Amino acid sequence: GQQLNQSPQSMFIQEGEDVSMNCTSSSIFNTWLWYKQEPGEGPVLLIALYKAGELTSNGRLTAQFGITRKDSFLNISASIPSDVGIYFCAGQANNQGGKLIFGQGTELSVKP
Amino acid sequence: SQTIHQWPATLVQPVGSPLSLECTVEGTSNPNLYWYRQAAGRGLQLLFYSVGIGQISSEVPQNLSASRPQDRQFILSSKKLLLSDSGFYLCAWSVLGQPREQYFGPGTRLTVT
Repeated sequence: GQQLNQSPQSMFIQEGEDVSMNCTSSSIFNTWLWYKQEPGEGPVLLIALYKAGELTSNGRLTAQFGITRKDSFLNISASIPSDVGIYFCAGQANNQGGKLIFGQGTELSVKP
Repeated sequence: SQTIHQWPATLVQPVGSPLSLECTVEGTSNPNLYWYRQAAGRGLQLLFYSVGIGQISSEVPQNLSASRPQDRQFILSSKKLLLSDSGFYLCAWSVLGQPREQYFGPGTRLTVT
């Protein structure tokens, strides 16, 4: 079945640093989504990507849909303490009836 | 605007007891609805999804069942809980016919003792 590899699994950074994480798939996706989850809460959708090569920003967050359609990247610029949480990528293929495949998450810790 | 509710927020149940978790969506009609479980290892596992009233698809064989008695209501149930049913249960919705973006509820933390 389809698998998503998300890396890194965790990151410990200093406030103000930039962050980069990525997901790779064993097969082609037509949609990539990025979510953030804070402790005890449901994931919140940050960015949605629909076309290969698409680059989309949401404030300090920028995500890209890889040209091969098998990967996606999320960058956070000038991190702040409230960026702490677990970031998930999710992909969707044409033949999966709308179902999402999730990565295992990247846990981000920001030191003030 | 659309909102999604889940209750209860937390639940502690003994092994062998029944379970009923409820999810409701407001502000949209005919949504796709989903139940996920998130274990301590963080990954989200799709349990059930529904494209309409009474239409339930199960993704993995398990001790749980789902029902959709009303358009915007999705219920997760079990007749007898197992220890392995512990976890964080998340409900999500997406627009019918355009299911690319899923929006999650606040979750229910279930502990089976």
